[in-house]
Amino acid sequence: EVQLVESGGGLVQPGGSLRLSCVASGFTFGSYWMAWVRQAPGKRLEWVANINQGGSEQYYVDSLKGRFIISRDNAENSLFLQMNSLRAGDTAIYYCARIYCSSPSCYDYYLDHWGQGSLVTVSS
Amino acid sequence: SYELTQPPSVSVSPGQTARITCSGDALPKKYVHWYQQKSGQAPTLVIYEDNKRPSGIPERFSGSSSGTMATLTIRGAQAEDEADYFCYSTDTSGKYEGIFGGGTKLTVL
Repeated sequence: EVQLVESGGGLVQPGGSLRLSCVASGFTFGSYWMAWVRQAPGKRLEWVANINQGGSEQYYVDSLKGRFIISRDNAENSLFLQMNSLRAGDTAIYYCARIYCSSPSCYDYYLDHWGQGSLVTVSS
Repeated sequence: SYELTQPPSVSVSPGQTARITCSGDALPKKYVHWYQQKSGQAPTLVIYEDNKRPSGIPERFSGSSSGTMATLTIRGAQAEDEADYFCYSTDTSGKYEGIFGGGTKLTVL
C-alpha cells in the first residue's frame, strides 16, 4: 500500500523558515517524480513544486521561486520542502503527492497518491 | 499558463445524476484529472486522463472531455459523495506546472 506521511509543520513567525518532510513507503520511491501541493484555509488547491526521480530537476510555481526549495533523498525514501522568508500568505496545509506520468517526458501527469498533509501557520 | 473554471456548487437529490464541469482553453490538448476532497481530508483521485477510473472508485463516477470542457459525472449520487471536487491539468509551456480548478462543492440532499 502506498503511504506518504508528512511532518515538520507548525507555527512560525513571518520571515522565518521551516522544513517539511514526507516519508514514502509501499512503492519504489526513486522511480517516481514527486510534488508538493498546498491549500490555504477555504481556498483552492495550489501546485507548489515538482522534482524528478533523481532530484536533478526541480520546477516551482512562479510566485514561490527563490523562497522554497524542493529536494529528495532516495536512500531514505524522503521528500523535502525548505520554506524560507515565510509570509502570512503561506499559511496552508502542505501535501506531498506522488506523480504518475501520462507521457514519457512527464509534461502530462497527475497526482495519484497524497499524504494527509502538514499544517503550516505563519503568524506573529 | 491558463485557468480551469468550475461552478462553485452543484446540488442534487440522492439517486440523481450530478454533473460537474471544468473549462479551460488548453483542454483540447491536455488531459483532465478529477479529485474528491471530503471535509478535513486529503484529496483522492477519482478520474484520471479524462475518463479512466482508478481501482476502488465506484462505477458511478465517470469522466469525459470535449473541446474546452471536461465533465465529471456521478450517476446515482449518494450522500457519501458529498464533497469538494477539483479538476486538474498541466501547463502547455513545458514547465511542469500543475493547474487546479477552483473546486465545486457537491451537495447531495
